[in-house]
Amino acid sequence: EDKVVQSPLSLVVHEGDTVTLNCSYEVTNFRSLLWYKQEKKAPTFLFMLTSSGIEKKSGRLSSILDKKELFSILNITATQTGDSAVYLCAVASSEKETSGSRLTFGEGTQLTVNP
Amino acid sequence: DGGITQSPKYLFRKEGQNVTLSCEQNLNHDAMYWYRQDPGQGLRLIYYSQIVNDFQKGDIAEGYSVSREKKESFPLTVTSAQKNPTAFYLCASSIRGANQPQHFGDGTRLSIL
Repeated sequence: EDKVVQSPLSLVVHEGDTVTLNCSYEVTNFRSLLWYKQEKKAPTFLFMLTSSGIEKKSGRLSSILDKKELFSILNITATQTGDSAVYLCAVASSEKETSGSRLTFGEGTQLTVNP
Repeated sequence: DGGITQSPKYLFRKEGQNVTLSCEQNLNHDAMYWYRQDPGQGLRLIYYSQIVNDFQKGDIAEGYSVSREKKESFPLTVTSAQKNPTAFYLCASSIRGANQPQHFGDGTRLSIL
């Protein structure tokens, strides 16, 4: 059974702090790892990582994948109150590269950034 | 604007009743998905469809049914056999292919009367 585990489940920081969110996985037919941000409704897509060691960056957010040790981290620097959300890690798997993937999600990390 | 539209936003179900949640997309995506999210938990896959007239069960398909008669539409029926239907239901779509991110609608919150 595919499994994705995120830690911590909850985190409270002050504005300006740097946070690291963790995601480990056990998945057959791994294709990619994705990070989403969920505020109230729809999860919004942040990153997709397919190769080890290549850091993806978008402003203050960055993420890296280790396919040997089966984990990923999401870093957020200089946090702002608008970063408060649930951050979801998901792993995509599929038997064939040409077919679509199914996602297995972790429980999410609830991040609260206080002013 | 392109996007995924789910309706209604809120839905109430009586005991023994079937209800249908709508999901429509105008992104020209081949693949569509239904997830269920319970409080404090991640998303769990109910059903998914890669092409019209074809769909597969996900991890928690019991008590649910779907159809995919049109590329743009993937409705989910929560049947009376689903004994614990109260949850937040999210629909997603993607370009077909193993490394294509899924994009989500705003969800439907279903509650029992």
